[in-house]
Amino acid sequence: SQTIHQWPATLVQPVGSPLSLECTVEGTSNPNLYWYRQAAGRGLQLLFYSVGIGQISSEVPQNLSASRPQDRQFILSSKKLLLSDSGFYLCAWSDRGYYGYTFGSGTRLTVV
Amino acid sequence: GQNIDQPTEMTATEGAIVQINCTYQTSGFNGLFWYQQHAGEAPTFLSYNVLDGLEEKGRFSSFLSRSKGYSYLLLKELQMKDSASYLCAVEGSQGNLIFGKGTKLSVKP
Repeated sequence: SQTIHQWPATLVQPVGSPLSLECTVEGTSNPNLYWYRQAAGRGLQLLFYSVGIGQISSEVPQNLSASRPQDRQFILSSKKLLLSDSGFYLCAWSDRGYYGYTFGSGTRLTVV
Repeated sequence: GQNIDQPTEMTATEGAIVQINCTYQTSGFNGLFWYQQHAGEAPTFLSYNVLDGLEEKGRFSSFLSRSKGYSYLLLKELQMKDSASYLCAVEGSQGNLIFGKGTKLSVKP
């Protein structure tokens, strides 16, 4: 069966520090991969999606970036965090099948 | 543009029935999903509708009318553990899911 791993679960980082969040999927090949952010009181905002290795589409211009170095690995990065980057970050995968997206357990990021 | 509307909050009593509505206007439509999200946790899949009509799965049912851009999630025999946010999401023409802001449901004893 397919599983998705996301880490770390929580992170407190100072303003201006770098960020790296990692997501890996097991049990499937060539999945579509997604990074979402959920700010307090707001809906899920799509940040990046990828349909294959090295293929990244950005939905919202910001100081974040994403990379997909391997088929089942998706990384969200920032060189310098802003206070407004605080939120709940969710990685998800899909094979465009019946069940839509499957989400990782999320990372709660607090920028101080 | 893309727009998905659902009520912000709802309250219901344990054992009762509650209906959460969702209206959408999106560029393209490949299906509508409902997710459940408990506080501090990731969303989990509840239901999927791509054709008009009602899909029933245990205590949960979901309805879709594509001509009206409308869906609802029906929860029967409410339990305390059903207290959560319920997210309506539409799969657009590019295959991405567009989410509403969610409806926070509080179930009272």
